[in-house]
Amino acid sequence: SQQGEEDPQALSIQEGENATMNCSYKTSINNLQWYRQNSGRGLVHLILIRSNEREKHSGRLRVTLDTSKKSSSLLITASRAADTASYFCATVPTDSWGKLQFGAGTQVVVTP
Amino acid sequence: NAGVTQTPKFQVLKTGQSMTLQCAQDMNHNSMYWYRQDPGMGLRLIYYSASEGTTDKGEVPNGYNVSRLNKREFSLRLESAAPSQTSVYFCASSERFYDGYTFGSGTRLTVV
Repeated sequence: SQQGEEDPQALSIQEGENATMNCSYKTSINNLQWYRQNSGRGLVHLILIRSNEREKHSGRLRVTLDTSKKSSSLLITASRAADTASYFCATVPTDSWGKLQFGAGTQVVVTP
Repeated sequence: NAGVTQTPKFQVLKTGQSMTLQCAQDMNHNSMYWYRQDPGMGLRLIYYSASEGTTDKGEVPNGYNVSRLNKREFSLRLESAAPSQTSVYFCASSERFYDGYTFGSGTRLTVV
């Protein structure tokens, strides 16, 4: 079963615009992570936010976490063509310690 | 290059054949994982190894076996391949259970 569900499933934007995607999950978590996957490649870890954190930044990435709503968002600012990829949220549930559970992902296309 | 190495990258099997997917990491990580990725379903955990000498079932373990050969290596075996096992398989590792994962580049397996 999938713990996280991303929204939207697909997103198409132009270079320079911001891209926002959301993730909802079902159970209590230890932390939530975001990953990027370029076509035909493995996943790359982007950022981890713990359950006691509300916001985290890494370069052009901004992640928020609202544990009361069981939701998270990933914002990519000033997007580039190289940001074209699928983005996955993944959670470490407190009752399934260590079993990172992934959503189905958001496909982002950034056109020049 | 440091990271997670998977072999082979591509494989075609006939129904009923067996094979072993190999995975090795050189980051001295304690935990290792095998996931499968199917279109529209995100990643699903097959088996994991919290530490050298231990293995546990994930969400979809049926039809698979694993071996944690040493701290570096974690192999996945298909004893009698079925078309339903056609998928992309990813190996990953992490220092601790709740850390971000480092993924390999994947093995694309087709069972005919």
